[in-house]
Amino acid sequence: GQSLEQPSEVTAVEGAIVQINCTYQTSGFYGLSWYQQHDGGAPTFLSYNALDGLEETGRFSSFLSRSDSYGYLLLQELQMKDSASYFCAVNPGGSYIPTFGRGTSLIVHP
Amino acid sequence: ETGVTQTPRHLVMGMTNKKSLKCEQHLGHNAMYWYKQSAKKPLELMFVYSLEERVENNSVPSRFSPECPNSSHLFLHLHTLQPEDSALYLCASSQDRDSHTQYFGPGTRLTVL
Repeated sequence: GQSLEQPSEVTAVEGAIVQINCTYQTSGFYGLSWYQQHDGGAPTFLSYNALDGLEETGRFSSFLSRSDSYGYLLLQELQMKDSASYFCAVNPGGSYIPTFGRGTSLIVHP
Repeated sequence: ETGVTQTPRHLVMGMTNKKSLKCEQHLGHNAMYWYKQSAKKPLELMFVYSLEERVENNSVPSRFSPECPNSSHLFLHLHTLQPEDSALYLCASSQDRDSHTQYFGPGTRLTVL
């Protein structure tokens, strides 16, 4: 089966940098995705890592280490609008259906 | 706007009612999904359709019945639900079932009394 672990909550101040970690145990692995979900909203895709290393998209970056079964989402220059839940998801291969973590609630303070 | 719409956005129903949730995607995708999102729990995949054929059913109770009449539309028919079925039901689509990116609709907030 698949399991993912990520912190339930992270708090930070505006302008800061925050890192949200995700560790996974899967029977297969093709890649790690990150999604953002605001309260009352739909999850929206942020990034995908299939290979080791850092992927940068504006203020957001995502990192993957396949050997450590570990990844993280890095958010820089935090803004109040970044307050949301962030989910990591693994594509285990085969059926390519992602398995989602429980989500990390990010609270950004002024 | 993700190109995936869901109706209704909110639904309250009794345990003996029958209702349907509707999802429509305007992205030309070939795969569509139903997820259940409960508080403090991971997103739970319920059903997957690829090219209108159901390819995954994660042991969902028979009181949930999906229907995919074409690649743009997906329904979830509900009957004799239980209070524990109250949750946010999310529809998603992807280019193909191999795609790693899913596009989610806004969800239907379901309350079962």
